[in-house]
Amino acid sequence: DTGVSQDPRHKITKRGQNVTFRCDPISEHNRLYWYRQTLGQGPEFLTYFQNEAQLEKSRLLSDRFSAERPKGSFSTLEIQRTEQGDSAMYLCASSLVGTVETQYFGPGTRLLVL
Amino acid sequence: QKEVEQDPGPLSVPEGAIVSLNCTYSNSAFQYFMWYRQYSRKGPELLMYTYSSGNKEDGRFTAQVDKSSKYISLFIRDSQPSDSATYLCAMRQASKLTFGTGTRLQVTL
Repeated sequence: DTGVSQDPRHKITKRGQNVTFRCDPISEHNRLYWYRQTLGQGPEFLTYFQNEAQLEKSRLLSDRFSAERPKGSFSTLEIQRTEQGDSAMYLCASSLVGTVETQYFGPGTRLLVL
Repeated sequence: QKEVEQDPGPLSVPEGAIVSLNCTYSNSAFQYFMWYRQYSRKGPELLMYTYSSGNKEDGRFTAQVDKSSKYISLFIRDSQPSDSATYLCAMRQASKLTFGTGTRLQVTL
């Protein structure tokens, strides 16, 4: 069990550029979550997948954001036409469906939009 | 009003002190209650989870839930400098976690 991994760990981009982040969950976990965390705040839910299916999206997830989990394993989160307000830590978590369903978080990708 | 309220601190205590961290919530649909620890520039790490009202103990950590008051607490006994971090309460409804803002704790020598 190597835990949840995210790549890249840091990303600096210019406003208007597109960026893509990758998350590799714990291998046997069938649920995968994306959260966004800004300075001084707790993580905020963005979206989650069960296997390949995207089951819920937050209203925080504007149409510039898209997430995929094509084979039910790793996931990507793409932000198109980045804005300065997108600067945040993007966290991925995974869990195994069940009664408790503990979510385990990765180290995050820190995005800075200039 | 936020669904989960948590005092952001910072909270500074001397080594060996008992620390009390708290959250209140307004959504009665929350079913599970968690505490995560987050070190600077790292992802949150799960410390404890509870379901029902009452206490749950794990080593130096005790989690307490009072559903009637919509109030949860985390107690840390014999606090250590390595406990210095941000502590996030989180509450689960269906599959989604809702977090508090986090309380920054500093344990001094």
